[in-house]
Amino acid sequence: GESVGLHLPTLSVQEGDNSIINCAYSNSASDYFIWYKQESGKGPQFIIDIRSNMDKRQGQRVTVLLNKTVKHLSLQIAATQPGDSAVYFCAERDDKIIFGKGTRLHILP
Amino acid sequence: NAGVTQTPKFQVLKTGQSMTLQCAQDMNHNSMYWYRQDPGMGLRLIYYSASEGTTDKGEVPNGYNVSRLNKREFSLRLESAAPSQTSVYFCASSVIPRGGGTEAFFGQGTRLTVV
Repeated sequence: GESVGLHLPTLSVQEGDNSIINCAYSNSASDYFIWYKQESGKGPQFIIDIRSNMDKRQGQRVTVLLNKTVKHLSLQIAATQPGDSAVYFCAERDDKIIFGKGTRLHILP
Repeated sequence: NAGVTQTPKFQVLKTGQSMTLQCAQDMNHNSMYWYRQDPGMGLRLIYYSASEGTTDKGEVPNGYNVSRLNKREFSLRLESAAPSQTSVYFCASSVIPRGGGTEAFFGQGTRLTVV
């Protein structure tokens, strides 16, 4: 069946370093892949998405890479800040949006 | 502009009781969704509605029913609550922007406890 999963449940990164959060997906029919950020006690917040016919998309301090050959998605956060501390979810969309399990990003001072 | 509004924010039910979670969006979005989130897990799709008048099952629909009342409102009903339905419930809505993409907006969640 369809599934979106993440390699690591927790990632600890030094403040100022770059963070890389990885995700594997299985549904080749998905037309968009999406990253969400969820802070404690809040609903998920859209960060960035990438269409399935692209392999890279950049936003403000974030870059998403898509490797369709190995069905792998990653989110890179440049110069990680304390405010980046949250759980990050990848998701995929065909006619509905399906989420992965999440990676908690912990920022070390 | 309120975005996506869910009510109630908190609820405690006894096993077997019924209740309806309400969701409304003011962004004129076509698609709406209901998810549940359990501790240590991601969001699992319960039901979704791609447009007014249509609803479809998601990953975990058993024990739930939905109604797309109009374009703004999408409600989730638990007919006979069970402890396994203790969770945080999120409603979301989305639209495909002109340039493509998918930007879904989420409510603040409803924390439901079934005892």
